Amino acid sequence: DGGITQSPKYLFRKEGQNVTLSCEQNLNHDAMYWYRQDPGQGLRLIYYSQIVNDFQKGDIAEGYSVSREKKESFPLTVTSAQKNPTAFYLCASRTMTGHSGANVLTFGAGSRLTVL
Amino acid sequence: AQSVTQPDIHITVSEGASLELRCNYSYGATPYLFWYVQSPGQGLQLLLKYFSGDTLVQGIKGFEAEFKRSQSSFNLRKPSVHWSDAAEYFCALSYGGATNKLIFGTGTLLAVQP
Repeated sequence: DGGITQSPKYLFRKEGQNVTLSCEQNLNHDAMYWYRQDPGQGLRLIYYSQIVNDFQKGDIAEGYSVSREKKESFPLTVTSAQKNPTAFYLCASRTMTGHSGANVLTFGAGSRLTVL
Repeated sequence: AQSVTQPDIHITVSEGASLELRCNYSYGATPYLFWYVQSPGQGLQLLLKYFSGDTLVQGIKGFEAEFKRSQSSFNLRKPSVHWSDAAEYFCALSYGGATNKLIFGTGTLLAVQP
């Protein structure tokens, strides 16, 4: 079945370390997104990409970096510059063809990052 | 600026009772609106969406939502709640034209009493 795979599901990191969260999709979706989720704050957009080798900053991009070398992959690096990285991170994707499907996001199961 | 407000942080209902979760939005044009559900430690699953046309939309798991432009609302309803409906529910609005970014409400956590 098609879907989005995020790994690892749980990750612990020491302060000052960079970590990379993986996101892979086999839905042939064009656009991919990273959201951060904190209790009581909903989801906030970190980065998004609509095409290979191109990506844009979302609302809270500081301290994060991404790459989009392949259509199916959109890894997120949480750098040591991110002041409060402990959170639940969600990857999502969507097709950009047609109308009714163009706006619907499919989500992965998430990765929970804890900084010790 | 666009925004989504879910006024209720936490709601508790009895199993079999009806449910209504509130969502209000602010947007200058006709909105694309969504309801997603999230089980603990999981990703989000789409319940239903509104793009245009009939203002009462049906979704999965027996949920429905009504778009009311005059009230800038998109409330989610279910006539009879099941224990498995306990989860967090997010209302979202799509904006940004071709970029189609989503802005989410802060969520409503639903607890179901036996």
